[in-house]
Amino acid sequence: AQSVAQPEDQVNVAEGNPLTVKCTYSVSGNPYLFWYVQYPNRGLQFLLKYITGDNLVKGSYGFEAEFNKSQTSFHLKKPSALVSDSALYFCAVRAASGTYKYIFGTGTRLKVLA
Amino acid sequence: GAVVSQHPSWVICKSGTSVKIECRSLDFQATTMFWYRQFPKQSLMLMATSNEGSKATYEQGVEKDKFLINHASLTLSTLTVTSAHPEDSSFYICSALRSQGSYNSPLHFGNGTRLTVT
Repeated sequence: AQSVAQPEDQVNVAEGNPLTVKCTYSVSGNPYLFWYVQYPNRGLQFLLKYITGDNLVKGSYGFEAEFNKSQTSFHLKKPSALVSDSALYFCAVRAASGTYKYIFGTGTRLKVLA
Repeated sequence: GAVVSQHPSWVICKSGTSVKIECRSLDFQATTMFWYRQFPKQSLMLMATSNEGSKATYEQGVEKDKFLINHASLTLSTLTVTSAHPEDSSFYICSALRSQGSYNSPLHFGNGTRLTVT
């Protein structure tokens, strides 16, 4: 069965510092991986996805993620954090081949300190 | 593009009443929509998959008679919480998939509905 894990409930980082939000996955077959961000009392916004190709994927708002097949990871990164990046981040994987369903991780709350 | 409108954004109702939540794709057609429930400080729990013109597919443990889903058109899905009770209080989020989307297409989410049952 497909699954995704976000080992950190919360990540704190100082403004201007690089940030990393971790995600590991378990899939059978090729992984379709996604990152979404959620601001308070709002729905989720799509940030980026990995389907195939270059292991470094660039997305919205300066975020990027690195796909690592050997470590089964898909960590979200940003070179310089902004206070406005503070939000809840979800990693997701497609539930199974031939389905539109996705499985979400438990979320990581990012807090960027001024 | 790819805007999903969810209404209402918040609702307070009395125990025993029913509440309808609407999810509309404003600028695209969505054959498939998903309904999620999110508890405080927890991840999204998929409740059901809504398919235009057919019955919804419910996840295990979700009462289909309590959470009625109707997907009558390519741009509208509704979730009705029937005979609501305080334990139904939660944040409900819908998402939509473009009709021409592929399996690697991202989901487009509404802004959620905060339901409080008193």
